[in-house]
Amino acid sequence: NAGVTQTPKFQVLKTGQSMTLQCAQDMNHNSMYWYRQDPGMGLRLIYYSASEGTTDKGEVPNGYNVSRLNKREFSLRLESAAPSQTSVYFCASIGTRGEKLFFGSGTQLSVL
Amino acid sequence: SQQGEEDPQALSIQEGENATMNCSYKTSINNLQWYRQNSGRGLVHLILIRSNEREKHSGRLRVTLDTSKKSSSLLITASRAADTASYFCATDAWNTDKLIFGTGTRLQVFP
Repeated sequence: NAGVTQTPKFQVLKTGQSMTLQCAQDMNHNSMYWYRQDPGMGLRLIYYSASEGTTDKGEVPNGYNVSRLNKREFSLRLESAAPSQTSVYFCASIGTRGEKLFFGSGTQLSVL
Repeated sequence: SQQGEEDPQALSIQEGENATMNCSYKTSINNLQWYRQNSGRGLVHLILIRSNEREKHSGRLRVTLDTSKKSSSLLITASRAADTASYFCATDAWNTDKLIFGTGTRLQVFP
């Protein structure tokens, strides 16, 4: 049982480049989340998906797009990366309200 | 701005002392959770308290929730050096699945 799998673990981009962060869970969870964590800060919600086919903005959605491809997968896309998007990105999932979040291991992204 | 604001931002104590950190939030919630994060690593779930609960215990952890004040506290009793970490509260706004984290408290426990 792999839990939540995020790829890649590390990525360096140049300003203006695009990339997609992949996330998959094998726990049949309904809700999935993308967070970013800047150094010394808490996690900020970028987007979330309460169920397959739905996505909603979080606290800091600008500059990002998401896709809930199916119940297992929730991807995060940076169309034109900016240095301000340098951060650690965490994907997480939850079965239903009132349960704990399961986290992926994180993606360390640097935008030069 | 973040849903949860925690204080203090940083806390330093000696082993054996108790550590208390507080979380305040802005909107009505379904549940409140506490997580721990060791430096540069993933988050570990500690405890969840529902909006209709007032207090919950798990080992050396005690969590209280005051929905009238929109606040929660996490007490770690008899702290150990291994408790050194950042602690975050997370809330899901009432009747939604939107899960927001607080700003966190950095706890340092000296041997």
